[in-house]
Amino acid sequence: GQQLNQSPQSMFIQEGEDVSMNCTSSSIFNTWLWYKQDPGEGPVLLIALYKAGELTSNGRLTAQFGITRKDSFLNISASIPSDVGIYFCAGQGGEISYNTDKLIFGTGTRLQVFP
Amino acid sequence: DSGVTQTPKHLITATGQRVTLRCSPRSGDLSVYWYQQSLDQGLQFLIQYYNGEERAKGNILERFSAQQFPDLHSELNLSSLELGDSALYFCASSVVPTLLVDEQFFGPGTRLTVL
Repeated sequence: GQQLNQSPQSMFIQEGEDVSMNCTSSSIFNTWLWYKQDPGEGPVLLIALYKAGELTSNGRLTAQFGITRKDSFLNISASIPSDVGIYFCAGQGGEISYNTDKLIFGTGTRLQVFP
Repeated sequence: DSGVTQTPKHLITATGQRVTLRCSPRSGDLSVYWYQQSLDQGLQFLIQYYNGEERAKGNILERFSAQQFPDLHSELNLSSLELGDSALYFCASSVVPTLLVDEQFFGPGTRLTVL
């Protein structure tokens, strides 16, 4: 199946540190989304980006839609223990899912925060 | 709580069997999506319905089928189950006008174990 490349695969950080992860694709997307998934739960939408170059914040989270429309990054500032989980990027629309609404997901970044 | 409900939460069955997973979308959402999440494949889009009609198909096996009913709930039928079908199955919903994109809200998932 199709997946986006997400890096890093895993991160182990100290509470209070900032975190950065990114997602790249060989194809363009019209929308980039970032989700967080806790163990045994479904993904929860964190941020949605609709325009190339757009920078959007949600509390301590900031995400940007790359100008080429082929990448996006997510930053988490001043991490706390409840930030632990798996973060997925997803692309929608564009070359791969043209005329449909299906999401193409990234491979995920597993975040571990130590107190 | 995303407002999307899925039943059952857990399902354990044997190879060769058939199961039905059920999803109720958020109130007002017309579109339902099914995803499969396995350890080696990540999150994969299976199929989308919009207002009762199939709208997009992803990596869905021929042994799997889905439908969306007039009350907008959806069922995913998995037949001739194999060990490799063991996974988390997520349903998501969104309000999706034709050709426009929107965030998808995920249910808690059904964990299927095939023994």
